[in-house]
Amino acid sequence: GPKVLQIPSHQIIDMGQMVTLNCDPVSNHLYFYWYKQILGQQMEFLVNFYNGKVMEKSKLFKDQFSVERPDGSYFTLKIQPTALEDSAVYFCASSPDRGGQNTLYFGAGTRLSVL
Amino acid sequence: GMPVEQNPPALSLYEGADSGLRCNFSTTMKSVQWFQQNHRGRLITLFYLAQGTKENGRLKSTFNSKERYSTLHIKDAQLEDSGTYFCAAEANTDKVVFGTGTRLQVSP
Repeated sequence: GPKVLQIPSHQIIDMGQMVTLNCDPVSNHLYFYWYKQILGQQMEFLVNFYNGKVMEKSKLFKDQFSVERPDGSYFTLKIQPTALEDSAVYFCASSPDRGGQNTLYFGAGTRLSVL
Repeated sequence: GMPVEQNPPALSLYEGADSGLRCNFSTTMKSVQWFQQNHRGRLITLFYLAQGTKENGRLKSTFNSKERYSTLHIKDAQLEDSGTYFCAAEANTDKVVFGTGTRLQVSP
């Protein structure tokens, strides 16, 4: 079936550095999402994105976070600068359309370790 | 096979009916989370369980790690319950795997 790919699967960086998490969504999908899961806790919504714009974001989506999808390539989550509390697994998802009846397809996650 | 098998893929209920969704796991999982996808596609967390049973209003969820399954029970279904429901399970390797979703349609 359709797959969402996340690159890399694990990233280790020093606090204060910039990091970019990459997501290759399903090719004909239009809506994109990032979720964050701290180890041992539940997954939390960060942001959704459509037509080049952030549609909705949670309070976890700090000013240091940004998302974009330049030229229809990877959907990226950039954190600049990173903080220790950013250590988590970040999941990307995409869907063909908006709406509660449309299936979200999730990537396997990128584990971010901020030292 | 799939590490997380979610059933049924689709479900139609009349208002007031009771029903349940189930996720079976091919391996031991240490936690499970149930979501409802809202009209904007955003996942709303319904339950997060490391074991046992939790209830919230008309919803109840059970997670049995030993028997490798989790259930979400909906009581007295309402129109606003319509949507897609997902389970997501966390393995002992810390990897999270999603079910394929259940599309629920509640009719008057």
